[in-house]
Amino acid sequence: AQTVTQSQPEMSVQEAETVTLSCTYDTSESNYYLFWYKQPPSRQMILVIRQEAYKQQNATENRFSVNFQKAAKSFSLKISDSQLGDTAMYFCAFMKSDLNAGNNRKLIWGLGTSLGVNP
Amino acid sequence: DGGITQSPKYLFRKEGQNVTLSCEQNLNHDAMYWYRQDPGQGLRLIYYSQIVNDFQKGDIAEGYSVSREKKESFPLTVTSAQKNPTAFYLCASSISAGSHNEQFFGPGTRLTVL
Repeated sequence: AQTVTQSQPEMSVQEAETVTLSCTYDTSESNYYLFWYKQPPSRQMILVIRQEAYKQQNATENRFSVNFQKAAKSFSLKISDSQLGDTAMYFCAFMKSDLNAGNNRKLIWGLGTSLGVNP
Repeated sequence: DGGITQSPKYLFRKEGQNVTLSCEQNLNHDAMYWYRQDPGQGLRLIYYSQIVNDFQKGDIAEGYSVSREKKESFPLTVTSAQKNPTAFYLCASSISAGSHNEQFFGPGTRLTVL
């Protein structure tokens, strides 16, 4: 069974600095998708970034980028130039790319990292 | 604006009562999902639906029921059989149940059992 581990329950960063959130996962699959979602205090879940395992290039979305290490099964999120609005819970999630129907397509979630950005 | 709406935002229920949480989307998505979020735990899948008139159990379906009579709507009923229903409930949708498709989330409903 797939598992997702976020080893940092809480982190903090000063505004304008860079922070990296870690995520590791366990799977025997060769192809899959990885996601980082953000949940601010409003509790609205928002997709931050997505990585397809067969792509070697790390995904980037503005100030957000990932360091995807497939062999190490690591998928860390780097937030550059941190802003107060980045304060949120960040969840790492995994999904198999198996085309069979059923629960195989569900997202497997980590427990989240609470990130606080300090002014 | 396209999106997912959930109502109500806060819901209180007495023990032994059934309650239905609403989820509506106008994104024309085929797939819809219900998750439960508890403190210190990740999201857990309750039910999902890949298409109208079809739905499957997730990891924690006991004590819950759903229907998918319309593409836009996927209501969740929390029955009296659910032993610990106090939680935050999130509804999501995606274009299809394919793994490359992003799931879009509603704002959630906080259910408290008194």
